[in-house]
Amino acid sequence: EADIYQIPRYLVIGTGKKITLECSQTMGHDKMYWYQQDPGMELHLIHYSYGVNSTEKGDLSSESTVSRIRTEHFPLTLESARPSHTSQYLCASSGVADTQYFGPGTRLTVL
Amino acid sequence: AQSVAQPEDQVNVAEGNPLTVKCTYSVSGNPYLFWYVQYPNRGLQFLLKYITGDNLVKGSYGFEAEFNKSQTSFHLKKPSALVSDSALYFCAVSSMDSNYQLIWGAGTKLIIKP
Repeated sequence: EADIYQIPRYLVIGTGKKITLECSQTMGHDKMYWYQQDPGMELHLIHYSYGVNSTEKGDLSSESTVSRIRTEHFPLTLESARPSHTSQYLCASSGVADTQYFGPGTRLTVL
Repeated sequence: AQSVAQPEDQVNVAEGNPLTVKCTYSVSGNPYLFWYVQYPNRGLQFLLKYITGDNLVKGSYGFEAEFNKSQTSFHLKKPSALVSDSALYFCAVSSMDSNYQLIWGAGTKLIIKP
């Protein structure tokens, strides 16, 4: 079982609030990823990082931002949440073998 | 363009019967192929992968997958399905051309009926 953590697991907030979704891994992986997934649907890559101070946008346009100041930590921030941001957010990390290991996800609801 | 296709949105199988979840891919170069499973309200769990070597790959929970280069397929199989296998299954592929970033299929919902 991979050691990757996401906090919180569930979040309900009002429109316009700023939120940060936390993701941490203890495996020393260089690569980390954020995906957005509506329930039962496909994954969409929104951000990724190949190491400290490296961040890139993924295939799906997102109003969120990320930072990678430490290897183990890859937080995602929404400056002003909207109902269209309601979704599940999955964090993953991978090492040299490129197998991605996923956290349990954060289910976000914006009212 | 690189892509992954899971042609079935849903697969229904009776408990005890063999199951197959289909996946085909299109990449330039040698593919790295993966299967993941997602249970309700959970993240994805890695099941198995093919990098090189034997075309038949064995993974977690009794699942296996066969890499078929000529048919560009990587179907997931299990000889005898369990009700607890009911979940959402994702196929993914990476290659040098994608900078080893995973390209994901749309997912297949597997329902095992008692």
